[in-house]
Amino acid sequence: RKEVEQDPGPFNVPEGATVAFNCTYSNSASQSFFWYRQDCRKEPKLLMSVYSSGNEDGRFTAQLNRASQYISLLIRDSKLSDSATYLCVVNSGGRRALTFGSGTRLQVQP
Amino acid sequence: GAVVSQHPSWVICKSGTSVKIECRSLDFQATTMFWYRQFPKQSLMLMATSNEGSKATYEQGVEKDKFLINHASLTLSTLTVTSAHPEDSSFYICSARVTVLHSSYNEQFFGPGTRLTVL
Repeated sequence: RKEVEQDPGPFNVPEGATVAFNCTYSNSASQSFFWYRQDCRKEPKLLMSVYSSGNEDGRFTAQLNRASQYISLLIRDSKLSDSATYLCVVNSGGRRALTFGSGTRLQVQP
Repeated sequence: GAVVSQHPSWVICKSGTSVKIECRSLDFQATTMFWYRQFPKQSLMLMATSNEGSKATYEQGVEKDKFLINHASLTLSTLTVTSAHPEDSSFYICSARVTVLHSSYNEQFFGPGTRLTVL
């Protein structure tokens, strides 16, 4: 079983739509959680951290359910510029590197 | 945020040659840098953890004699792909971690990546 699992998509949505991505992780000792965005042939860039209380940044809302080991990302009012691959990322703590999910591809269409 | 650079951004080489990729943290010191590899339509896979002044820690299945890592200073780590073969063609990305003493802050910043094509 992969340490971080995501639906690869692609999710094809019209502009203005609301779209949700889900992610599950297997290591219950994981301590930090993130969503990264990766554009084609580019490096990943941090979109937002994910906190147990849930957090919002503009059109983006992230939530964490530790009991279910489940992370979500909600994008409201999708823009064409939101088209990218969204990576669910987990840090198991200490000096370890990040563990990446395989990513969910989003394509927002006009 | 912090800036990490990589050089070169892309390289094409013949099979059997060695290729060196540099990763630099431009405005901060990084005691730990990470090297990832990403094949098309796949996720980033951690290859090794590079620690300044000590030997790198390699992930299972990554040959340390083939992927040489040197972290000689707090701002520079290098990855050398020795005797490259076509199956080594990939997108190599480094990241540097910013840590704050007595804090849980622990963010990684990624370099722009190096696209290696081995003919």
